[in-house]
Amino acid sequence: SQTIHQWPATLVQPVGSPLSLECTVEGTSNPNLYWYRQAAGRGLQLLFYSVGIGQISSEVPQNLSASRPQDRQFILSSKKLLLSDSGFYLCAWSLGTSTDTQYFGPGTRLTVL
Amino acid sequence: AQKITQTQPGMFVQEKEAVTLDCTYDTSDQSYGLFWYKQPSSGEMIFLIYQGSYDEQNATEGRYSLNFQKARKSANLVISASQLGDSAMYFCAMRGVSGGYQKVTFGTGTKLQVIP
Repeated sequence: SQTIHQWPATLVQPVGSPLSLECTVEGTSNPNLYWYRQAAGRGLQLLFYSVGIGQISSEVPQNLSASRPQDRQFILSSKKLLLSDSGFYLCAWSLGTSTDTQYFGPGTRLTVL
Repeated sequence: AQKITQTQPGMFVQEKEAVTLDCTYDTSDQSYGLFWYKQPSSGEMIFLIYQGSYDEQNATEGRYSLNFQKARKSANLVISASQLGDSAMYFCAMRGVSGGYQKVTFGTGTKLQVIP
């Protein structure tokens, strides 16, 4: 069966510091991968998605970036965090089938101080 | 453009009763999919149920059923025999095509609280 991991689970970072969040998927090949952000009490905002190694599409302009160095690894990064980057970050995968159901990881709660 | 609307910020239901969570959508796509996810306080998004736009029958998964009314563009989630563990945020979502790729748009969610 497929599983998705995210780490760290929680993170507190000062403004201006760098960020690296990692997501890995097991049990499937060539998944579509996604990064979402959820502000407190809000819905999900799609940040990035990837259909293959090195293929990244950005949904909204921001100081975040994403990379996919391996088939089942997706990394979210920032060179300098802003206060507005605080939130709950969720990684998801799908198989790109007709239903294309997305399955989510446990999330990373980021607080920027 | 795709849009999902959940008009109920919060709902209460008595344990063992049924509850309906509302969801309406707007899209110009002919083919699309509708999803419901559950988000407990731990934060993980749990997939519950899927309905395709061409599916003639309403989807069911255990105690969850999706009341799909295509003409009204609604996809309400019905939870039967509510349990205390059903207390959570519930998100409706829609998959469609935007900018040349399949994109999922989420609603703002409904917080369900089950009362013993």
